Amino acid sequence: QSVLTQPPSASGTPGQRVTISCSGSSSNIESNTVNWYQQLPGTAPKLLIYGNNQRPSGVPDRFSGSKSGTSASLAISGLQSEDEADYYCAAWDDSLDGLVFGGGTKLTVL
Amino acid sequence: VQLVQSGAEVKKPGASVKVSCKASGYTFTDYYIHWVRQAPGQGLEWMGWIKPHSGGPNSGQKFQGRVTMTRDMSISTAYMEVSRLRSDDTAVYYCARGSDFWSGHFDYWGQGTLVTVSS
Repeated sequence: QSVLTQPPSASGTPGQRVTISCSGSSSNIESNTVNWYQQLPGTAPKLLIYGNNQRPSGVPDRFSGSKSGTSASLAISGLQSEDEADYYCAAWDDSLDGLVFGGGTKLTVL
Repeated sequence: VQLVQSGAEVKKPGASVKVSCKASGYTFTDYYIHWVRQAPGQGLEWMGWIKPHSGGPNSGQKFQGRVTMTRDMSISTAYMEVSRLRSDDTAVYYCARGSDFWSGHFDYWGQGTLVTVSS
């Protein structure tokens, strides 16, 4: 059972907008920044969003992040087939004194 | 920037494994190295960090006493050793570069090292 809760799956059609949620608590998301990672099959995770809503260079602006209270969201607009991947949220947890990940969301592009 | 990890390992239960992570393309001592693992078909699990300049490794509560993180600054390499291996330690182990120990902001990752624990 992951400390951060994500839906196990999400789907959308090309061009659609999808959002993936990440629910936590006052000891992690509410008090620390949230990051999002994309993992394509058989590859290492890739940083997609850091500091709640910042995109590293090279990440398309179709990807955006937000945070409110104890929850965070990743939004993907203009969905493309290459966006089919697993997505993970991550945040530091002050109570556990460690980094915690969500369980991951498998995004399917129909 | 590159993080290149050592090759796959097969170990018996109770043994130890040491995975290396060689950094290049940046000043090794300026960033933290974190370790994250992923069991087959499962999600990501953070294990801990080491700061190459000062050491001071810190492992997650679950791994304390069984995981040792070290580094060799002369060859820009970080190491992560897991002792008393169990079957549920079978996973891909990743090293990742972080600017600090708390943000979870990992901008470069190693390619991963598969560790299989089997009798």
